[in-house]
Amino acid sequence: AQTVTQSQPEMSVQEAETVTLSCTYDTSESDYYLFWYKQPPSRQMILVIRQEAYKQQNATENRFSVNFQKAAKSFSLKISDSQLGDAAMYFCASTTGTASKLTFGTGTRLQVTL
Amino acid sequence: NAGVTQTPKFRILKIGQSMTLQCTQDMNHNYMYWYRQDPGMGLKLIYYSVGAGITDKGEVPNGYNVSRSTTEDFPLRLELAAPSQTSVYFCASSYPNGREGRYEQYFGPGTRLTVT
Repeated sequence: AQTVTQSQPEMSVQEAETVTLSCTYDTSESDYYLFWYKQPPSRQMILVIRQEAYKQQNATENRFSVNFQKAAKSFSLKISDSQLGDAAMYFCASTTGTASKLTFGTGTRLQVTL
Repeated sequence: NAGVTQTPKFRILKIGQSMTLQCTQDMNHNYMYWYRQDPGMGLKLIYYSVGAGITDKGEVPNGYNVSRSTTEDFPLRLELAAPSQTSVYFCASSYPNGREGRYEQYFGPGTRLTVT
């Protein structure tokens, strides 16, 4: 069975600083996608960034970037210039098999302090 | 577009009662999904559908049923509710083809269900 592991239950970062959230995954598939979703207290799941496994170039979206290490099955999220609005739960997820089903990690709660 | 909508937002059930969680999407997505999120955990797939009339089990299907009679709607039925079904339920949809954004899932706002 596919697994996604987030080993950091909680992280804290000061405003304007940079933080990296870790994620490792285990898959036997050759074609898959990886995602980071943000879940604020409102519970809404918001897509932060997406990485196609066949692309070597790391994805970036404004202040958010990933470090995708395919051989190591690692997919970390870097948040630069952290803002108070970045405080949330962050979930790493990968597609599983057909129909783009997602397997999620257990999440990392990010606190942003002044 | 309203995206993915779910009703109700909150519900309290007694043990043994039944209910249907509604999910509708207006993006003409083929794929739809139901996930549950237990406290402090990630989302787990309950059921999914790749099109009208086609459904299949996910990781945690026991105690639930689904149907997909139209592209837009994907209701989740709970029969004989149990305390273990206390959770937040998310519906999602996806447009899986060669277009940009393939495999991205769009989520509804969730339904918080408590079974007592």
